[in-house]
Amino acid sequence: AQSVTQLGSHVSVSEGALVLLRCNYSSSVPPYLFWYVQYPNQGLQLLLKYTSAATLVKGINGFEAEFKKSETSFHLTKPSAHMSDAAEYFCAVSESGGSYIPTFGRGTSLIVHP
Amino acid sequence: GAVVSQHPSRVICKSGTSVKIECRSLDFQATTMFWYRQFPKQSLMLMATSNEGSKATYEQGVEKDKFLINHASLTLSTLTVTSAHPEDSSFYICSARDTDTQYFGPGTRLTVL
Repeated sequence: AQSVTQLGSHVSVSEGALVLLRCNYSSSVPPYLFWYVQYPNQGLQLLLKYTSAATLVKGINGFEAEFKKSETSFHLTKPSAHMSDAAEYFCAVSESGGSYIPTFGRGTSLIVHP
Repeated sequence: GAVVSQHPSRVICKSGTSVKIECRSLDFQATTMFWYRQFPKQSLMLMATSNEGSKATYEQGVEKDKFLINHASLTLSTLTVTSAHPEDSSFYICSARDTDTQYFGPGTRLTVL
């Protein structure tokens, strides 16, 4: 069984500030981890993924995430927020060697203030 | 990355009619596609797994006779909402699996009057 917890349904930052979106997971086998972004009335776009290679993963739009097994975490960060980063962010986990059907967190809405 | 398209992007229909939504993988073949439903301000709810050439696998609580899924080719899966009612109004999103990653379509906004 696998599950994802995203701490904070809303995160508010000022433009130019650090973005930190938290994700903790549980999985009975080595996990694959993903971050997706969803803009209003659109589907999900893959930001980045971890599939057992380097623990620090760089994605699109300046985002990166670090897999920490000891903390069962996969937090998403960006050094400097931009207004265009305002969106809904979903963390997901799937089990390696399985069906690869991901389990999604409840999502975190990122609000960027000018 | 892989591209998934979905058509139509939005549809408005009368209660009792059926609506078909198409999901296509544009630059890869997908033996497995997935259909999700998303309510406002909520996460995605997996409805069913669509397998090319075989019957779809539905999640618990999803009526297979109401949400008909067909996956006739390696690049196309369709979801038909039969005898739609206002409570079926929602945002429907498909995804296709390319090796170990799911790629999502842009979604279809269904409004049933």
